[in-house]
Amino acid sequence: DQQVKQNSPSLSVQEGRISILNCDYTNSMFDYFLWYKKYPAEGPTFLISISSIKDKNEDGRFTVFLNKSAKHLSLHIVPSQPGDSAVYFCAASAVVDKLIFGTGTRLQVFP
Amino acid sequence: NAGVTQTPKFQVLKTGQSMTLQCAQDMNHNSMYWYRQDPGMGLRLIYYSASEGTTDKGEVPNGYNVSRLNKREFSLRLESAAPSQTSVYFCASSDWGGTLNEQFFGPGTRLTVL
Repeated sequence: DQQVKQNSPSLSVQEGRISILNCDYTNSMFDYFLWYKKYPAEGPTFLISISSIKDKNEDGRFTVFLNKSAKHLSLHIVPSQPGDSAVYFCAASAVVDKLIFGTGTRLQVFP
Repeated sequence: NAGVTQTPKFQVLKTGQSMTLQCAQDMNHNSMYWYRQDPGMGLRLIYYSASEGTTDKGEVPNGYNVSRLNKREFSLRLESAAPSQTSVYFCASSDWGGTLNEQFFGPGTRLTVL
């Protein structure tokens, strides 16, 4: 029973264009959402987060959108750069201090 | 300031052998976690420790034990390794409730059980 789902295993985007990574969740008790980025042979690193009281959070080229009624969040990267090529995990929390991770989306940004 | 460190980086075991994965953090975080990452499965929580002296099971605890040695260190032990425990293991820490609620991850330990 996957509570956090990333249905696209991979995404390929041209440099300079927008990358949109999607995440769906089933547990309506989730109140905090995060995106992590992971390069090969490294641990995940935190990218951006959003609380359930907001519907948008922006940090430079990265914006996370939350649609609570649809139980859907998305990460927008504009403009995409080759260094953004990595695996992106979304994660959600219903209980303080515990995260449930999605399965990840591999983003490839090509020139 | 090293963040979260893990040893070893790589390990090969035979079925039935035991080993301990070590993790340490220097950020004075209260909470520490052990995850495993398998292809197509994302990151799954094995055990976590909300504070020194406490540990709790996560999603996939079977076959593992943990020790929160002190505030800095959190170890994961495989008593009798099985091929199904072949995975990449990540340790993480957090200061939940502080200014930033994210978890900080170590570089991982790649474990192969033959």
